[in-house]
Amino acid sequence: QKEVEQNSGPLSVPEGAIASLNCTYSDRVSQSFFWYRQYSGKSPELIMSIYSNGDKEDGRFTAQLNKASQYVSLLIRASQPSDSATYLCALYSGNTPLVFGKGTRLSVIA
Amino acid sequence: DAGVTQSPTHLIKTRGQQVTLRCSPKSGHDTVSWYQQALGQGPQFIFQYYEEEERQRGNFPDRFSGHQFPNYSSELNVNALLLGDSALYLCASSLGSWETQYFGPGTRLLVL
Repeated sequence: QKEVEQNSGPLSVPEGAIASLNCTYSDRVSQSFFWYRQYSGKSPELIMSIYSNGDKEDGRFTAQLNKASQYVSLLIRASQPSDSATYLCALYSGNTPLVFGKGTRLSVIA
Repeated sequence: DAGVTQSPTHLIKTRGQQVTLRCSPKSGHDTVSWYQQALGQGPQFIFQYYEEEERQRGNFPDRFSGHQFPNYSSELNVNALLLGDSALYLCASSLGSWETQYFGPGTRLLVL
């Protein structure tokens, strides 16, 4: 059974700071990793995908993947109150369905 | 470019009833996956449809069934509703089975 672990939070950061969200997974053959943002009462919205070890940057967001440590993270620079949401980590492993963590709730304090 | 659409947005049913939820995939996508998301949990995979067939199924009972139409739209049917079926039901579409999935707005189902 593949597992994706996330700290449920809430993670509170001041406006303008860097928010660091972490995710660990149990399956060593996991291949594709995704971060989704979900506002309260809304559906998940794709933020980033990452497939190779290292960093991938898109605007204020940076995804980091370390397959040897089975660890993927999302950094949000210059955090804004509008970034307050639940962030879901998800992964594919071969021909298996997308598996989600329970999400980390982020609160950016103005 | 039309995104994923779902209907209805909200639904209230009583125990034992049956419900049908609908999903139209993002333009150009051919694969539809359905998820159930309980409060405070991540989405749980129900099943995936491709070429009008159920390709893979998660750990959900046979009360949950689905269908995909030639235009790639899909339905999720739930029979004999239980209180525990109350959740946000999400449809996601992709081009191919294990490609990036994009979610619709969801249908919030309340079973009384």
